[in-house]
Amino acid sequence: AQSVTQLDSQVPVFEEAPVELRCNYSSSVSVYLFWYVQYPNQGLQLLLKYLSGSTLVKGINGFEAEFNKSQTSFHLRKPSVHISDTAEYFCAVSEYGGSNYKLTFGKGTLLTVNP
Amino acid sequence: DAGVIQSPRHEVTEMGQEVTLRCKPISGHDYLFWYRQTMMRGLELLIYFNNNVPIDDSGMPEDRFSAKMPNASFSTLKIQPSEPRDSAVYFCASTRGHQPQHFGDGTRLSIL
Repeated sequence: AQSVTQLDSQVPVFEEAPVELRCNYSSSVSVYLFWYVQYPNQGLQLLLKYLSGSTLVKGINGFEAEFNKSQTSFHLRKPSVHISDTAEYFCAVSEYGGSNYKLTFGKGTLLTVNP
Repeated sequence: DAGVIQSPRHEVTEMGQEVTLRCKPISGHDYLFWYRQTMMRGLELLIYFNNNVPIDDSGMPEDRFSAKMPNASFSTLKIQPSEPRDSAVYFCASTRGHQPQHFGDGTRLSIL
């Protein structure tokens, strides 16, 4: 079984500041990793994914994440945030290969960007 | 391409009534997932299908909940009888294999 811990439930930042949203996971097998964003009254939208290869993954809207296998982490970063980045962000994990297609989500981090 | 389509977007009904939520996955996707989102419990997987066959329903809370996928382009999640604690946002998602899941905009369900 897998689990995902998002260490911060809320992260307030000022516009144009850098931000890091933290995600740690636990799994007995290799995993795929994802970050999703949820704007108010909408579904989840994929920001980026790590399936294999380079551990630094770039996504949409200027976000990037780095997979660190030894620390079982997949932190999300953006060098300069905008007001429009205000949303809830979810880290998720699924089992690599095999027949288990379930996504396990963290509890989410609410990013609030203030002017 | 049309995304995952869910209906209705909002549903308000009284306790004891039957509720049916609908989902149309993206064409060509062979996996379909139903999730429930609440403040207390976050996002929970209820059930998922592969090629219209239920694979894992271990997340379905109790017998009041049932899900079907009669064909590749349609799925329903039914609650009968509904209770106030079923109030939540219900999401449907679809994908091919281990590719990222695509989510619908959800159904906000309120049981009075």
